[in-house]
Amino acid sequence: SQQGEEDPQALSIQEGENATMNCSYKTSINNLQWYRQNSGRGLVHLILIRSNEREKHSGRLRVTLDTSKKSSSLLITASRAADTASYFCATDETGANNLFFGTGTRLTVIP
Amino acid sequence: GAVVSQHPSRVICKSGTSVKIECRSLDFQATTMFWYRQFPKKSLMLMATSNEGSKATYEQGVEKDKFLINHASLTLSTLTVTSAHPEDSSFYICSARDLWANTEAFFGQGTRLTVV
Repeated sequence: SQQGEEDPQALSIQEGENATMNCSYKTSINNLQWYRQNSGRGLVHLILIRSNEREKHSGRLRVTLDTSKKSSSLLITASRAADTASYFCATDETGANNLFFGTGTRLTVIP
Repeated sequence: GAVVSQHPSRVICKSGTSVKIECRSLDFQATTMFWYRQFPKKSLMLMATSNEGSKATYEQGVEKDKFLINHASLTLSTLTVTSAHPEDSSFYICSARDLWANTEAFFGQGTRLTVV
């Protein structure tokens, strides 16, 4: 399967704490993307990091990419209750046109 | 960013009937569209890839006669769930991409299908 693995599967933190989610994948990629999904809703694109980039920031989000380890992490700083959602990594793989999604992390931020 | 509109957002149908879901790219030409299925608390699984004017390519295990995909124009793809059964109940999401321009994929809002 080309599906990536994410860990943890579920994460529960207090508001104000940081949340870190990890994603591992199996093949070579053009880029890796992180998405957010509120329960029963569509996907919201958060950030894209290209294969030649190692770190990227967007507001309270920080993404790292280690292509040698085929892994990425998403850090959400100073979490808020509104950050409660499922987060998916998705890889844009070399030679493929579609995205392959990770298994997802369900984040719960407790007010 | 680019907009992909998926309709309907929710649909309830009776077993044995067919349901059509539309996916439109509103401000760009989608050379390629993808249909995903998502079970509760699970990840998105690719069902099929459709290129404008061509037959869709289905992933292993996806019945092409059950899930009919049409991509007749650069802005519209449809997924028709034929002879729906309760086990077809799921969340279906489309995404669209302009491979000529090598853009990233943009996602529709998803369709919650419930077959009763």
